[in-house]
Amino acid sequence: QSALTQPASVSGSPGQSITISCTGTSSDVGSYNLVSWYQQHPGKAPKLLIYEDSKWPSGVSNRFSGSKSGNTASLTISGLRAEDEADYYCCSYAGSSIFVFGGGTKLTVL
Amino acid sequence: DVQLVQSGAEVKKPGESLKISCEGSGYTFASYWIGWVRQMPGKGLEWMGFIYPGDSDTRYSPSFQGQVTISADKSRNTAYLQWSSLKASDTAIYYCARLPTGNWFDPWGQGTQVTVSS
Repeated sequence: QSALTQPASVSGSPGQSITISCTGTSSDVGSYNLVSWYQQHPGKAPKLLIYEDSKWPSGVSNRFSGSKSGNTASLTISGLRAEDEADYYCCSYAGSSIFVFGGGTKLTVL
Repeated sequence: DVQLVQSGAEVKKPGESLKISCEGSGYTFASYWIGWVRQMPGKGLEWMGFIYPGDSDTRYSPSFQGQVTISADKSRNTAYLQWSSLKASDTAIYYCARLPTGNWFDPWGQGTQVTVSS
């Protein structure tokens, strides 16, 4: 099972919106509504941002939103803030009790 | 609050064995899957496998099958990840995380740094 494909880095200015893509295959992203997104600040554990493609867990800002089209999922962060600077990972269920993560995207807030 | 607390950092030599732990609190530990995720230095997240503490049903990523053993003791509300013979390439941070419905990871433990060096 290959890792999902994410851009290595994205950047944006405070107040802007950015989108991070996560491309898989018809065996994982395209087959299940089970993409989740995680934020990881340096030296910290990952934190859940989005589950089941587009749902928010309790306590997560609605500045973070998820969507999916075909084999590609996306995370959009609106109204960028300095504290959004972090690494972001997507994850998809791939059937047969297997999960696959993306390679991660480093977000820089300019 | 649902919380997962992992055991402390470990420094081991190649060939040694190791068992790290992840203790859950604030919920019925036996009723939720617990997963393990590896993060090698400067790299991304890799799913290793998960266990259902209620009956110890365990699933492994093909990449980690045979390399590690995942177990749980529901009487202690604790899941474990163990190696029988460590390699330098096992140097990484290992995270445990709960799977609320089996399909995403939340919350995460704080991570356990494992360093394998001669």
